[in-house]
Amino acid sequence: SQQGEEDPQALSIQEGENATMNCSYKTSINNLQWYRQNSGRGLVHLILIRSNEREKHSGRLRVTLDTSKKSSSLLITASRAADTASYFCATDGTGANSKLTFGKGITLSVRP
Amino acid sequence: DVKVTQSSRYLVKRTGEKVFLECVQDMDHENMFWYRQDPGLGLRLIYFSYDVKMKEKGDIPEGYSVSREKKERFSLILESASTNQTSMYLCASIRAGPAYEQYFGPGTRLTVT
Repeated sequence: SQQGEEDPQALSIQEGENATMNCSYKTSINNLQWYRQNSGRGLVHLILIRSNEREKHSGRLRVTLDTSKKSSSLLITASRAADTASYFCATDGTGANSKLTFGKGITLSVRP
Repeated sequence: DVKVTQSSRYLVKRTGEKVFLECVQDMDHENMFWYRQDPGLGLRLIYFSYDVKMKEKGDIPEGYSVSREKKERFSLILESASTNQTSMYLCASIRAGPAYEQYFGPGTRLTVT
């Protein structure tokens, strides 16, 4: 079963613009993570936000978490062509040793 | 740097063959996972393991088995490969606990003909 659902499914923007991607989930979580996948490769962790945090920054990335709405957003500022990739949100449950559940991903295309 | 390696990047097998996909991690992680990734379906969990010789079924275990004889190695076995098992297979590992990131291998693109 997939808990995280990303929105939109695909996004195409011009280099320099900001990209906003959203994720919604259904049950209580310990934390939410965002991953990136370049075509044909494994996933790479971008950022983790805990359930008691509301916002987190890492370089050009800004993640927000609203546990009351069970949603998160990933903002990439000043996008670059190299940001072209698929982005996934992943959530874990509140039990011990909970496994991550990934969404289907968002395909981001940044046009030079 | 954490490294998760997978035995092959590309693999072509015939229907009915027994297929072994190997995954090795070098950071002493307790937990290891096997996913398959298909267009439009995202990542789906096949099996995971929280300890040596321990395994648990994920969301789509049918047609697969796993082996974890050593902490650093987690193998995925297709007992009799079928064409619907053509997919990208991703291995991942993570430290035990509630707030750690998963580290992924580069993936194995398996084609069953």
